[in-house]
Amino acid sequence: AQSVAQPEDQVNVAEGNPLTVKCTYSVSGNPYLFWYVQYPNRGLQFLLKYITGDNLVKGSYGFEAEFNKSQTSFHLKKPSALVSDSALYFCAVNSGAGSYQLTFGKGTKLSVIP
Amino acid sequence: NAGVTQTPKFQVLKTGQSMTLQCAQDMNHEYMSWYRQDPGMGLRLIHYSVGAGITDQGEVPNGYNVSRSTTEDFPLRLLSAAPSQTSVYFCASRLSENYGYTFGSGTRLTVV
Repeated sequence: AQSVAQPEDQVNVAEGNPLTVKCTYSVSGNPYLFWYVQYPNRGLQFLLKYITGDNLVKGSYGFEAEFNKSQTSFHLKKPSALVSDSALYFCAVNSGAGSYQLTFGKGTKLSVIP
Repeated sequence: NAGVTQTPKFQVLKTGQSMTLQCAQDMNHEYMSWYRQDPGMGLRLIHYSVGAGITDQGEVPNGYNVSRSTTEDFPLRLLSAAPSQTSVYFCASRLSENYGYTFGSGTRLTVV
């Protein structure tokens, strides 16, 4: 069975500082990895994905994520946090081609402090 | 572009009642899924579909039915509502497993 762990329920960071939201996964086969963001009382929005190729992937709103196969991690990063980045972030995984079920982590609440 | 449209946005049911949550997408996506979101639990997959006429169970299917008669529509039926089904329900669609999901705005369901 595939699974995703987001070890931090909440991350606090000062505006302008770099931010990292952690994600580790467990799948059989090659993972397809995704990050989503959810603003209050809204649906989830797709940020970025890793399917294959370069381990560093760039996405919307200046976010990027690094795929590390040996550590089974896919941490979300941004060089300089904005107050408007405050939201709930979800990591998700499915186990490659032909895998239909996308499994989500429990989410990490990011608070950017002015 | 409408994207993924869910109706209703809010619903209150009494225990034992049945209802259907509607979901429609206009992007010609083959893959559609229903998730429920509960505090501290993340999103859990209820049912999913990989094309018209093809559905399968996810992680928490009990008490829910789905059908997919067209590419566009993927309704979720609650057969006999229970308080444990109080949740926020999201419908999502994507082109294939290589792509991110587009989510609807959600249905907040309360069962009393």
